[in-house]
Amino acid sequence: AQSVTQLDSQVPVFEEAPVELRCNYSSSVSVYLFWYVQYPNQGLQLLLKYLSGSTLVKGINGFEAEFNKSQTSFHLRKPSVHISDTAEYFCAVSDKGRDDKIIFGKGTRLHILP
Amino acid sequence: EPEVTQTPSHQVTQMGQEVILRCVPISNHLYFYWYRQILGQKVEFLVSFYNNEISEKSEIFDDQFSVERPDGSNFTLKIRSTKLEDSAMYFCASNPPSSYEQYFGPGTRLTVT
Repeated sequence: AQSVTQLDSQVPVFEEAPVELRCNYSSSVSVYLFWYVQYPNQGLQLLLKYLSGSTLVKGINGFEAEFNKSQTSFHLRKPSVHISDTAEYFCAVSDKGRDDKIIFGKGTRLHILP
Repeated sequence: EPEVTQTPSHQVTQMGQEVILRCVPISNHLYFYWYRQILGQKVEFLVSFYNNEISEKSEIFDDQFSVERPDGSNFTLKIRSTKLEDSAMYFCASNPPSSYEQYFGPGTRLTVT
């Protein structure tokens, strides 16, 4: 069965500093990987996705993530955060070619300090 | 840009009442989903729907839940007899053929009192 682990429930970081949000997954088959963002009182927005090809994936708002198959990780990074990046970030996985449901991690709250 | 819409944005109901949450997926999408997020917790899969039938459902999706696509545009989630623990944000999602990118609606916040 698939699962997603986001070890950090909350990450405080100063404005304009870099940030990495960690995500590890487990699955018995090949997977698609996603990062979603949820701004306060809003729905889920896709930040980026890995389906195949290059392991470095670039998304919206300056975020990128790197797929590491040997470490079963898909960490999210941004070189310089802004106050507007304050949100909950969810890593998610979907079985490739099997079923379409998305399994989400518990989320990491990114807290930007002025 | 087309988007998934959900109504109502907030629904308050009394325990034991039936509720219907409505979603309008993007028009050319064929796969539909419901997820829920209890306050402060992760987003959980409830059910997937394709070709007018349920493809998969989670253990959360018991006999109190049902889904329907009554016409060519709406996709509904019905909870027959709501419980306090059904209070959550319910998200509808859809994706087009040959794509694993699911587009999420803004959610309906269900409060059961």
